[in-house]
Amino acid sequence: DGGITQSPKYLFRKEGQNVTLSCEQNLNHDAMYWYRQDPGQGLRLIYYSQIVNDFQKGDIAEGYSVSREKKESFPLTVTSAQKNPTAFYLCASTPGQGLGEQFFGPGTRLTVL
Amino acid sequence: AQSVTQLGSHVSVSEGALVLLRCNYSSSVPPYLFWYVQYPNQGLQLLLKYTSAATLVKGINGFEAEFKKSETSFHLTKPSAHMSDAAEYFCAVSRGNYGQNFVFGPGTRLSVLP
Repeated sequence: DGGITQSPKYLFRKEGQNVTLSCEQNLNHDAMYWYRQDPGQGLRLIYYSQIVNDFQKGDIAEGYSVSREKKESFPLTVTSAQKNPTAFYLCASTPGQGLGEQFFGPGTRLTVL
Repeated sequence: AQSVTQLGSHVSVSEGALVLLRCNYSSSVPPYLFWYVQYPNQGLQLLLKYTSAATLVKGINGFEAEFKKSETSFHLTKPSAHMSDAAEYFCAVSRGNYGQNFVFGPGTRLSVLP
């Protein structure tokens, strides 16, 4: 089955540590996205990538970094510069130009202790 | 800039009652509109989408939505609520090319009472 996988489902880290969240898709989609979701809030865009080796900042990129070395993979690193990293992180993808719907992974819940 | 508002952060209905979740958008160009559902600790699942074809759009699980340009609205309805409909619902608008320009509303949590 095609889809998006995110691992791990739950992640715990100590304050001050960098952590990388995995996102893999086998849908052959060109564009990929990272969102952050906080309780009672909508989704906020962190980074997006339309093609391999290219990515752009979203609305809340500070304290995050990404890479897009392969079409299937778009890992997100939450750095120690992110002041409030505890949240639910969602990865999504769209085919081609992306006017169609976004397809979402199951999410990773990050808790920084 | 495009934006999406959802009236009511929390809506409660009785099982079997009509479900109405409101969504209004602002857009300078004809938009693409979407409704997603999210169950606890899961990703978002597409319920339905409007892409300038029929104004009444039918989706999964018995949901439908009507695009009303004059009211800039895209409200989600279901004639009879089921317990399994309890979830968070998000309206979204595509604000242009390249898909990175999705804008999500803040969401409405639907509770279904027995």
